[in-house]
Order: sequence, then structure tokens, then C-alpha cells
Amino acid sequence: QVQLVESGGGLVKPGGSLRLSCAASGFTFSDYYMSWIRQAPGKGLEWVSYISNSGNTIYYADSVKGRFTISRDNAKNSLYLQMNSLRAEDTAVYYCARTYGHWGQGILVTVSS
Amino acid sequence: DIVMTQSPLSLPVTLGQPASISCRSSQSLVFSDGNTYLNWFQQRPGQSPRRLIYKISKRDSGVPDRFSGSGSGTDFTLKISRVEAEDVGVYYCMQGTHWSYTFGQGTKLEIK
Repeated sequence: QVQLVESGGGLVKPGGSLRLSCAASGFTFSDYYMSWIRQAPGKGLEWVSYISNSGNTIYYADSVKGRFTISRDNAKNSLYLQMNSLRAEDTAVYYCARTYGHWGQGILVTVSS
Repeated sequence: DIVMTQSPLSLPVTLGQPASISCRSSQSLVFSDGNTYLNWFQQRPGQSPRRLIYKISKRDSGVPDRFSGSGSGTDFTLKISRVEAEDVGVYYCMQGTHWSYTFGQGTKLEIK
């Protein structure tokens, strides 16, 4: 069955960096586009970034453009989100998703001094 | 960005009764390929979101047939024919037609 497991979250100071990973299993990873979506505590869902199955096409929400970088390693069945210049408003649970039909359990990122 | 507006934001429903959630987009969601990429998600308390409906009305695998989606252009609706206790949670619409993708604010369904 499809499994998506996020890791790499935690507490980071404003201006700091963090790299999230999403380990995929149960399907042919290289066949699917992937996305990151986040949810601030007690708030709604916010789409963050998209990467095509080959990695050639990438999109970002305006709120993270220039600070976050999405990437994937199809040989390792893994999706990544490099987050730089983090702000308090980036505090959220980050989900990876396969074509929005399958979601991971989420990982909490807290940006605070 | 496309703005997705849901109503109501709070929906108290009696068990066994129908429920309906509206989602309106600030622009047409018809893509150049003729498809309309409008999704509905359910997020039960403490869980990850789960997609229920894609392309307006197509149910995901395992989704009970009491859930249905309809609409076109800028106006969309999620209907639950008979609400069950397990339907409690927050429902979101999401457009996947225009970059960047956007979600509605969410509608909290609770049992009356």
C-alpha cells in the first residue's frame, strides 16, 4: 500500500534552515508528481510546492518562493523540501502528498526564538 | 491567486440528515484540456487530510457513495446524503487548475 513518511521537522530559530524529507513506498515513485502542503496550528490547509515526476517542472506558493526548494531523488524514492530564511509564520505541520490522493502523517516545524 | 470561498464555515447536522457545502472560485476552474480540477478533502480530528472527490464529481477509492460532488465553472457543491458520526471533521475544497493551487477556508461539520 502507498506509504508516505515525513521526517526532518523540529524547532528552529527565525532565519534558520531545515530540510524535510518524505520517504515513499508501495508505488513507483518516479511515475507520480508530488507536493508539499502545510497547516499552521488551528488553521486551514495551504498548498506550498509541486514537483513533476521527472523533477523538471516545479512551482511554489508566493509565500515561500525564493526561500524554499523542492526536490526529489527517484532512485531513493524520496521527496525533499529545503527551507531557508524561516519565519515564525512558517510554523506548521508539513504534509507530503502524492497527487493529493495520498498524504503522509505530517511533520511539525516550529520557528521560534 | 484564485480565491476559494466556502460556505458555511460551520455546519451542525443531525445524524441521518443531508448536508451540503458550497465552494466558489474567483475565476473559472476549467483547464485548457477541458477538465475542471476541483477537489474535496475531509480532515477528521487529529488526522491527515483525505481526498474524497476529484475533478468535481469523481469519488476516490473507498469513499462512501453518500458523498457526491457537483458543479461547474466557478460554483461547486459537496453533498452528504445522510450524515454519519464518522463524517465529523473539516472539509476543504481545493482548485488544481491555476498555479498556485489554493484551498478554501474549510467547513467544520459537527453533529447537532
